[in-house]
Formats: sequence, structure tokens, C-alpha cells
Amino acid sequence: QSVLTQPPSVSAAPGQKVTISCSGSSSNIGNRYVSWYQQLPGTAPKLLIYENNKRPSGIPDRFSGSKSGTSATLDITGLQTGDEADYYCGTCDSTLSIGLFGGGTKLTVL
Amino acid sequence: EVHLVQSGGGLVQPGGSLRLSCEASGFTFSHNWMSWVRQAPGKGLEWVANIKEDGSERNLVDSVKGRFTISRDNAKNSLFLQMDSLRVEDTAMYYCARPAYSDEAFDSWGQGTLVTVSS
Repeated sequence: QSVLTQPPSVSAAPGQKVTISCSGSSSNIGNRYVSWYQQLPGTAPKLLIYENNKRPSGIPDRFSGSKSGTSATLDITGLQTGDEADYYCGTCDSTLSIGLFGGGTKLTVL
Repeated sequence: EVHLVQSGGGLVQPGGSLRLSCEASGFTFSHNWMSWVRQAPGKGLEWVANIKEDGSERNLVDSVKGRFTISRDNAKNSLFLQMDSLRVEDTAMYYCARPAYSDEAFDSWGQGTLVTVSS
């Protein structure tokens, strides 16, 4: 059971928008930055968003992140079949000085 | 370009030991914290450990404390994870990762190495 809670799955049609949520607490998301990752089958995760809403070079602006209080969201617009993957949120625990990941959300593009 | 190349891993019996290595290139290794992340088959990501640039601070998840040791050799641009008293539940793909941004945001990952603990 992950400390950060994500929905197990989301789905939407090509071209549509999907939102993935990540819920935590004051000891993690509430006081730390949130990052988001995309993991395609059989590959290492790929950083999509860091520091809540910043995109690394090369990540399209179809991916955006936000944070409010103890929750964060990843929005993906203009869905493509290639976006089908598992998505994870990540942050740190301020008290325990450890990293944390959400349980992951499987995105299906119908 | 950043490269993290992992080695080690394999099949080990419960109670056994393994040492994972991660050789870094393309950046100043001694200027970066480094971490290990694992993923059990069909499961999500789990943060395992991290180590400060000079090795003076190390953090581990509770489930591996007392059994795993994270270390580094900055002269060899290498990160290590010594895993002792291995359990079946330690079976996973292990990744080394570089947190280039705040709060363990990993911009670079190794290719992963599979550790299987089974009798």
C-alpha cells in the first residue's frame, strides 16, 4: 500500500484529455515538490514533470503538472496511442528523509 | 549525455547476498546524490535508498534497513548496493537513478538489473 494514492487506471479516447491524481499528506506532498514519470512496458521510467509543474527538455507541453495542498495532478492533453503506459507520481517524506512513489496509474487510450 | 550502466544481480537463494553496481558517465558524479529504486514483477516503483555526494549521509527504506548498504566510489564514478540476508520479497528489477532536481526527481535511470531471490 503506497503512501501516495493514485487511481489504478484511467482511460480516454485519442485526442482527449486525461487527469491523473496523486494524493498524499502534509509530511510529503504538502511540503515537498512532486515529480511525474511515464513507464512504457519493459523500460525504465522517464521523467515527465519535476518540481510540481516543470518539464525537462524534450517533454511536450501536452504533459502538465500542478499541485494544491496535499494533492497533485498530471494532465495529458491531445492523447495519443503512444501515451499508453504506467504513470507514477513521486516525492519525498520530510520526516523520514526517504523517497516515495505512488502506486501507479495505467493509462489506456481507447 | 548521462549514462548509468548497471551490473550485478541474478538468482540467489533466500538469506544470500548480492552486490549491484552502477557506473556513471557524462556528468560530475561526485556532485550528485544518487539513489536506488526497485520494482517487483508486475508492481509499482519503490524507492530503496539514497546517498549524499560525499557519502556522508545515507537513507534507506525501512524494509531494507540492516540488510542493504548503499555506498559509492567517486574516484570510479560508481554507485553500489550491497544486499545481504535477501528475502523472496526483495525479488525485483533494481534501478540506479540520478536525482537531478529537488526532492528525488530522477532525470536519469540505469537500464535496470533483475534480482531474483528463490530457492
